[in-house]
Amino acid sequence: QQPVQSPQAVILREGEDAVINCSSSKALYSVHWYRQKHGEAPVFLMILLKGGEQKGHEKISASFNEKKQQSSLYLTASQLSYSGTYFCGTVFADNYGQNFVFGPGTRLSVLP
Amino acid sequence: DAGVTQSPTHLIKTRGQQVTLRCSPKSGHDTVSWYQQALGQGPQFIFQYYEEEERQRGNFPDRFSGHQFPNYSSELNVNALLLGDSALYLCASSLSLRFYEQYFGPGTRLTVT
Repeated sequence: QQPVQSPQAVILREGEDAVINCSSSKALYSVHWYRQKHGEAPVFLMILLKGGEQKGHEKISASFNEKKQQSSLYLTASQLSYSGTYFCGTVFADNYGQNFVFGPGTRLSVLP
Repeated sequence: DAGVTQSPTHLIKTRGQQVTLRCSPKSGHDTVSWYQQALGQGPQFIFQYYEEEERQRGNFPDRFSGHQFPNYSSELNVNALLLGDSALYLCASSLSLRFYEQYFGPGTRLTVT
C-alpha cells in the first residue's frame, strides 16, 4: 500500500527543472507533498484533493490524475534551497477509517 | 507563533522498557498525528488524535498507544520496546481531524539497546 516514487534520486544544476512522480495502488482521497532536509522535520509543500482542489506554496506546482491514482510534482528553475528528500503522502480508506502512507522519498540534489 | 514542539530530543532505552514521548501542537491546531521514521525511509503513520480520542490508526501494534489532553498536547507511549523501535518519532499537528497541511515537530530520536 506504500506509494511508489520515481526517480529515487535526481541531480540538477541550478535553474534546471525536475519532475517527481508518485503512484498508488489505492483509491486516494488526497495526495500530499513534503520536503525534508537532512536532520530536519518534513515541511508541507502541496495537497491535491480528489475533485481537483489544490493548496500549496506559490512556487510549487503539482498534478493529480484521479483515474490512475498518480501525482507529479513539478520543480521549475530549481534553486539550491530545493535540495532535500521529497515525499509524497497518500490518504485512502482502510478498515480503521483513513490511513496516511508516505512514499519512500526522492532525493533531490541541486548543484551550483 | 509557536510551532510544534517535542520532548525529549533524544532518548536511550533498553529492550523491554516503556517510553513516553510528548508533543505540543502549533498554536490553533487541534489534531495531532504521530509518525515513526526509520533512517533513510519515509515517515510511517502511527495514529491521529482529535478531541482526546484516537481517530485514525496505521499498521502499528497495540504496544503503541497515545493520549491527547484538553490543551491538544499529546503523548505517545511505547511498551515492551524492541530493537526495531529505534527511530525518529515525529509529531505533526493540523486542523479539524484532517491530514491537510500538517506541521511537523523536530522529532524525538529513540534508541533502543
